[in-house]
Amino acid sequence: KQEVTQIPAALSVPEGENLVLNCSFTDSAIYNLQWFRQDPGKGLTSLLLIQSSQREQTSGRLNASLDKSSGRSTLYIAASQPGDSATYLCAGYTGANSKLTFGKGITLSVRP
Amino acid sequence: NAGVTQTPKFRVLKTGQSMTLLCAQDMNHEYMYWYRQDPGMGLRLIHYSVGEGTTAKGEVPDGYNVSRLKKQNFLLGLESAAPSQTSVYFCASSYGKIMNTEAFFGQGTRLTVV
Repeated sequence: KQEVTQIPAALSVPEGENLVLNCSFTDSAIYNLQWFRQDPGKGLTSLLLIQSSQREQTSGRLNASLDKSSGRSTLYIAASQPGDSATYLCAGYTGANSKLTFGKGITLSVRP
Repeated sequence: NAGVTQTPKFRVLKTGQSMTLLCAQDMNHEYMYWYRQDPGMGLRLIHYSVGEGTTAKGEVPDGYNVSRLKKQNFLLGLESAAPSQTSVYFCASSYGKIMNTEAFFGQGTRLTVV
């Protein structure tokens, strides 16, 4: 059974800092890994999808990497801004059961 | 381009009442999912569907039923609501193919059972 862990549960940083959010998973048979952003009271917005044949994906100030051998993915946010404050969730897709398994998320607060 | 649309957005039910949550997607996705999100528990899969006419149980299926009569719609039913079903419900969809599994989510339905 795939388990996805995100530690710490919350993070507070000053504006402008570069930061890394971690995601670990137990089943290396993971196909793809997806990072989401969730604002309070809102739905999930897809940020980046890393396919198993890829090692990383970039979108603007965001860069996500995937290392299946170590069971880890990281989301790098460059030059953080107060507008980046949100909960960030990672989810692993294991084809055998056709579903996404989510971590519990990291709540990020970027202080002006 | 609407994406994934959930109806209703908010609902209050009395214990024992029934209701149906509707999820509609316009992206021609094969796979559709229902999750519930609770504080401290994260997102947990209730039921999912890998194509029209198919359904399967997720992690927490008890007390819920689903139907996928049309490819674009996935319905989640509560036959006899209980306070433990107070939660935020999210629907998601994806192509489901290994090389294209990006999932898209609706805005959620906040359900309170009193």
